[in-house]
Formats: sequence, structure tokens, C-alpha cells
Amino acid sequence: TQLLEQSPQFLSIQEGENLTVYCNSSSVFSSLQWYRQEPGEGPVLLVTVVTGGEVKKLKRLTFQFGDARKDSSLHITAAQPGDTGLYLCAGGRRTSYGKLTFGQGTILTVHP
Amino acid sequence: GAVVSQHPSRVICKSGTSVKIECRSLDFQATTMFWYRQFPKQSLMLMATSNEGSKATYEQGVEKDKFLINHASLTLSTLTVTSAHPEDSSFYICSARRFRQETQYFGPGTRLLVL
Repeated sequence: TQLLEQSPQFLSIQEGENLTVYCNSSSVFSSLQWYRQEPGEGPVLLVTVVTGGEVKKLKRLTFQFGDARKDSSLHITAAQPGDTGLYLCAGGRRTSYGKLTFGQGTILTVHP
Repeated sequence: GAVVSQHPSRVICKSGTSVKIECRSLDFQATTMFWYRQFPKQSLMLMATSNEGSKATYEQGVEKDKFLINHASLTLSTLTVTSAHPEDSSFYICSARRFRQETQYFGPGTRLLVL
């Protein structure tokens, strides 16, 4: 099984704080996706990274793909209550027939 | 954009009946669609992979005769839960991807409640 370890599983913080979510694997991925999901809805794509060392920014969110393409991180600056949700990382491999390997998810709660 | 729709968004049915869920890619052709099941506060569990014009590939432990998948066109896949039982109650989500791309775009999900 090609695992993608996501941590932490739960994160409860105050508005304005910074946070980082990690996804790690012993295997190489050709792409890494980050999704955000709210209760009762489907996951929404935040970003796809494909190049080792790549950094992408989406407003207060910064995504990084490790140099070896085995790990990734999501950093949120000055978190807001609207950031609350389930964050999922998902790795893709060209040999996996399109399947994604999902992390366990991080439930983020940002308190006003 | 890459928009995926699902219908219905929620359904309540009696035990023993069958329920069909539709997944459509609205603005792109999806060579592959995926069906997932999700339990509360957990990650996604892949049920099956559906390629247009061919039989679906089911993950280990998923009963293909219970969860019938049809991918009749490049924009439509359907999941039919046959002879539904209360333990089939769950949140079902589909996703779609373009040819040779790894990114999947998800539908809004279908909440199934079997009484």
C-alpha cells in the first residue's frame, strides 16, 4: 500500500493564528493535490503541484511540494473562521491508472 | 473550469429498493470517473474506477453486483445501489478527470439514507 501520511488529524486554533498541515510518504508522486471540503459538500480543489520544490500561493495559503516529490505542506497565514473545514492531500502517480492516494485528512477549526 | 455535478444531492429510500446516482462533467470530457464513499469526519474511500465504454474496476471489498456502475459517455457516469440496506447509508461522491491528467474534480456528493 502506498500511503500518504497527513498530520495533524485535528487542529483547533484561534482566528489570526498560523498553521501548517503536512503530508508525507516514502514514495514519489508525480503530482500532489490539496482539497478543502465543507460538511455535506464535495472536496474543492485548491491547488495541484507537479514540480519538486514548487511553491504555490493562493492568498493566505502557501503550498509546497518537496524536492524529492515525496512530501507536501499547506501553510495558512492568519487563519480565519472561513478556513474551517476538512483539508485533504492526494498524490497521483502516472502508473496508478488515474487513482489518487489520499491522506487521512485534517479537520481544521478556526474559532473567532 | 472543471465542474462536476451530482444528482440527486440527497435521497431517502426504503430497504430493498435501488437507487441511482448520476455524475456529470459539465464543461469537460471525463475519460475516467471515480466513485467514493465517505464516512463522517473521515477521508475518502475509493469504491471503483469507471472508464468510458468499458467495465468499471472495483476496489477490494466492494461488491460489484451491489454497486453497479455505468459510464455510458464522456460526461456521464451512474452508480446504482441495488437492494439498498441501512448499512449502505453514506455520503457518496464522484470525481472526474481529463485524459492524461491526474487532478480529479469532485461532485458535490449525494447523501443516501436507507430506512
